[in-house]
Amino acid sequence: NAGVTQTPKFRVLKTGQSMTLLCAQDMNHEYMYWYRQDPGMGLRLIHYSVGEGTTAKGEVPDGYNVSRLKKQNFLLGLESAAPSQTSVYFCASSRSQGRAFFGQGTRLTVV
Amino acid sequence: EDKVVQSPLSLVVHEGDTVTLNCSYEVTNFRSLLWYKQEKKAPTFLFMLTSSGIEKKSGRLSSILDKKELFSILNITATQTGDSAVYLCAVDEYSGGSNYKLTFGKGTLLTVNP
Repeated sequence: NAGVTQTPKFRVLKTGQSMTLLCAQDMNHEYMYWYRQDPGMGLRLIHYSVGEGTTAKGEVPDGYNVSRLKKQNFLLGLESAAPSQTSVYFCASSRSQGRAFFGQGTRLTVV
Repeated sequence: EDKVVQSPLSLVVHEGDTVTLNCSYEVTNFRSLLWYKQEKKAPTFLFMLTSSGIEKKSGRLSSILDKKELFSILNITATQTGDSAVYLCAVDEYSGGSNYKLTFGKGTLLTVNP
């Protein structure tokens, strides 16, 4: 069972480079989320989507963009990476309420 | 200002001890509160609570919600080294329009020593 799949799992970027993180879910969930996790900070919501074609800002959206062109996919983009964006990124999906299923995370380092 | 506050931030106990983890929240349109366990990688689901006073239980873990006082506790009895993890509390809230979002606390790092 695939569940929520994130690609890539690891990435090193140079400052100023761009990249896209892909999240795919096969559970037909309406809601999808992107979080970042830094030491001692828990999970902070970057952007989320309540359905295909819709997105909304979370707590820490600056420097990131997202798109949800297909229900099963949620893309997180970094247009110009900065060292402050070094983090572990988690994607999650859920039905209309409650329990979210998480991907295995992407460890991103910006040098 | 944090909407979901967990305490303590870290805790070290010995195997066999009982621990209580706390989560308080302050959101306008509450739907549910969830507990997750995070070891090395992705958080894994433990409980979802929507009603006050009803205890959810799974083995040695249990949790209860107080919607009047806006908090929840997670209890772990007879702790084992395998319980060592970060425990995350999250609140599902209505955020306007047709939007709902899941907001996490900073987590409690539990270390269980043999």
